[in-house]
Amino acid sequence: QVRLQESGAGLVKPSETLSLTCLVSGVSIRGYYWSWIRQTPGKGLEWLGHIYYNGKTDYNPSLKSRVTLSADTSKNQFSLRLNSVTAADTAVYFCAQGGYDSTFNYWGQGALVAVSS
Amino acid sequence: DIQLTQSPSTLSASVGDRVTITCRASQSITTWLAWYQQKPGKAPQLVMYKASNLESGVPSRFSGSGSGTEFTLTISNLQPEDYATYYCQQYDGSPSTFGQGTKLEIK
Repeated sequence: QVRLQESGAGLVKPSETLSLTCLVSGVSIRGYYWSWIRQTPGKGLEWLGHIYYNGKTDYNPSLKSRVTLSADTSKNQFSLRLNSVTAADTAVYFCAQGGYDSTFNYWGQGALVAVSS
Repeated sequence: DIQLTQSPSTLSASVGDRVTITCRASQSITTWLAWYQQKPGKAPQLVMYKASNLESGVPSRFSGSGSGTEFTLTISNLQPEDYATYYCQQYDGSPSTFGQGTKLEIK
């Protein structure tokens, strides 16, 4: 059974860096694309970017300059870093299996991250 | 970016009803469209892929159709567990985008 679990700080100060990790179990991250998607009441669901296990990435142009994805095959996990955050980055962040050119078949339960001083 | 517009935003229906949700794309995406169901506090769950293919484990009362720029998700014989918010997603190109959602409420 494939399971994804997000972890990371739930509160980040403005201008600082949001960091989340997604631990994958039940399947190796090798051979698949892995994405981060966030959800806000105002903008709905927004795909942030994806990473292949070998480190190949693609990012949403709306965030490209601020987002970095990385993968650690030894720990079977992948991570999101979003820098220079503002209140507009307050959202529920989901990790998911899939890339921009596929469906998202498995999702984590979501991690609420608030940006506030 | 490809914009997806769902209608209606909210839909009220009774158990046993048949409902249809529409998703329109700002340009042709052939059939690279998926539908997700999301319940409060949960992650979205894939219901339909490639416009009309039912995801494994999803009841056959769900059906999808369309190609190009117009797509529909139909739920026949609504059941209590179907009340949720539904989103379409295009995966024709980067960035992948989602519709704004349709909330299906109990009438």
